[in-house]
Amino acid sequence: DTAVSQTPKYLVTQMGNDKSIKCEQNLGHDTMYWYKQDSKKFLKIMFSYNNKELIINETVPNRFSPKSPDKAHLNLHINSLELGDSAVYFCASSQDRHSNEQFFGPGTRLTVL
Amino acid sequence: QKEVEQDPGPLSVPEGAIVSLNCTYSNSAFQYFMWYRQYSRKGPELLMYTYSSGNKEDGRFTAQVDKSSKYISLFIRDSQPSDSATYLCAMKGDSWGKLQFGAGTQVVVTP
Repeated sequence: DTAVSQTPKYLVTQMGNDKSIKCEQNLGHDTMYWYKQDSKKFLKIMFSYNNKELIINETVPNRFSPKSPDKAHLNLHINSLELGDSAVYFCASSQDRHSNEQFFGPGTRLTVL
Repeated sequence: QKEVEQDPGPLSVPEGAIVSLNCTYSNSAFQYFMWYRQYSRKGPELLMYTYSSGNKEDGRFTAQVDKSSKYISLFIRDSQPSDSATYLCAMKGDSWGKLQFGAGTQVVVTP
């Protein structure tokens, strides 16, 4: 059983398109995260939700919009995709917002052409 | 300048050698320090966690934190080819704070 799963694993799309990435965790955790990992492997947090409430909202373009329908799911919608959005996007979860261990999904490799 | 600096490597060592990894940071408020391991095309996984200064040992892995120098280290003894991965340091100030990651060091252990 996969603890944190993401779909799709790969996403290739044209500039200007809108796309979504879905994330689900079956660990019963309260807190979920979206990270972006660029080509230099630098991992940077974008958003965090705790029990469906947004608690971390980093300075990212407002073309990125997270949505948490319930505490087991956190989706990421991206409007008007740009070349610079190409990266690997990781979803993660933790027991609660104080936990030091975050469990990461396998990542979604987004390529914008 | 990034808050957390980490040499990207690659660091190539022969099997059985000690791997020495480190990160420096600029924010003196950081108190929680972690090391994550990331295999190619996978998500990171937590290896070690240390609170404040001091050493922590877990099997072949030892984590050290020197807050006075703003310097943390990870040592891997008796390295194995299966240790070949990217190692990312991460840290935060408060227990509820966001994690700041280093860029990761790629380690290659050759048989």
